[in-house]
Amino acid sequence: DQQVKQNSPSLSVQEGRISILNCDYTNSMFDYFLWYKKYPAEGPTFLISISSIKDKNEDGRFTVFLNKSAKHLSLHIVPSQPGDSAVYFCAASRGGAGNMLTFGGGTRLMVKP
Amino acid sequence: DTAVSQTPKYLVTQMGNDKSIKCEQNLGHDTMYWYKQDSKKFLKIMFSYNNKELIINETVPNRFSPKSPDKAHLNLHINSLELGDSAVYFCASSQASGFGNTIYFGEGSWLTVV
Repeated sequence: DQQVKQNSPSLSVQEGRISILNCDYTNSMFDYFLWYKKYPAEGPTFLISISSIKDKNEDGRFTVFLNKSAKHLSLHIVPSQPGDSAVYFCAASRGGAGNMLTFGGGTRLMVKP
Repeated sequence: DTAVSQTPKYLVTQMGNDKSIKCEQNLGHDTMYWYKQDSKKFLKIMFSYNNKELIINETVPNRFSPKSPDKAHLNLHINSLELGDSAVYFCASSQASGFGNTIYFGEGSWLTVV
């Protein structure tokens, strides 16, 4: 039973435009959410996170939005660059669970020059 | 000066063999993890150790035995390898095991069982 879902396996965006990656979760106990970026043959790299007490967190070109009532979060990348092409994983954790991350299945982002 | 390093990166072995994957972190973190990425590309937690003590074991078969000689190392030993063990195994670490601690991953070890 997938508790974290990324329903779009892939996304293609033109360079300079906005990329929006979506993630849904089912476990209301999750209270911390992260986005990881992964290039082929490399490990996931931490990108940005958000606590459930916030609804937005911004870091440069990357912004994560959290809608707790909808159990939905999204990652916005503006402007998108070809180097952003990678697989993006959404992950969630809950307090008291030993910092265990539950990952979504990933979305492959392709940014075209 | 890789933060989380694991060896070997690629491993091809026959069914029934025993193999180990080593992991070391130089970040001074107290908590280390093993994650598995299966053929469907899902990343799932296997184990978590905090200061050499096991804190998470996610229903992994007994054939998998993690060993943490010190808090900078967490090795994964697998006995009697099966075809279904073929996957990418990621070692990771975080400052602590509590809420909000960012987890940093190694580059992965590609295990193929033939």
